Amino acid sequence: EVQLVESGGGLVKPGGSLRLSCAASGFTFSSYNMNWVRQAPGKGLEWVSSISSSSGYIYYADSVKGRFTISRDNAKNSLYLQMNSLRAEDTAVYYCAKDSRVWSPVDYWGQGTLVTVSS
Amino acid sequence: DIQMTQSPSSLSASVGDRVTITCRTSETINSYLNWYQQKPGKAPQLLIYAASVLQSGVPSRFSGSGSGTDFTLTISSLQPEDFATYYCQQSYNYPRTFGQGTKVEVK
Repeated sequence: EVQLVESGGGLVKPGGSLRLSCAASGFTFSSYNMNWVRQAPGKGLEWVSSISSSSGYIYYADSVKGRFTISRDNAKNSLYLQMNSLRAEDTAVYYCAKDSRVWSPVDYWGQGTLVTVSS
Repeated sequence: DIQMTQSPSSLSASVGDRVTITCRTSETINSYLNWYQQKPGKAPQLLIYAASVLQSGVPSRFSGSGSGTDFTLTISSLQPEDFATYYCQQSYNYPRTFGQGTKVEVK
């Protein structure tokens, strides 16, 4: 059974940093592209970042470019999101999400971790 | 970036109704269009990918159609568990983009 378990969310002050982690199990993690997707309270889904299976390709939304860094450790079956210079508008539930190899939809999602940026 | 325009933003329907949600993209994406269902407090779930392919385990009352720039999600006979918010998403290129969502509510 595929499982994606996020951790690392919490309350942080504007300008602060946070590192999210996602522990993956139930599939060959090193073979799949992975994503972070977020959802602000009461709002829709927003794609944040993607990383290819071997970390050769990395993409960011304009809203986080230069502030967030996605990475992965295939030996530890883990995905990460380093978030710096956090702003109030970064407040959201952050989902770890696995791409399917076929047509690249997200076929599995974690339960999400809440990041709140507030003074 | 590819813009996604989903309509309507909300709709009211009754159990047994046929429901149709549309998604239009700002440029052609072939069939790289996906549909997700999200219930309050839960992660989204994949319903349909490649515009019309039903994800394993999804009931057959859900169907998708379209290609190019115009796509449709249809629920043939709405069930109580289908009241939720639905999102389209393109996986044609980066940045990945989502529609703004359609909330299906009880009439």
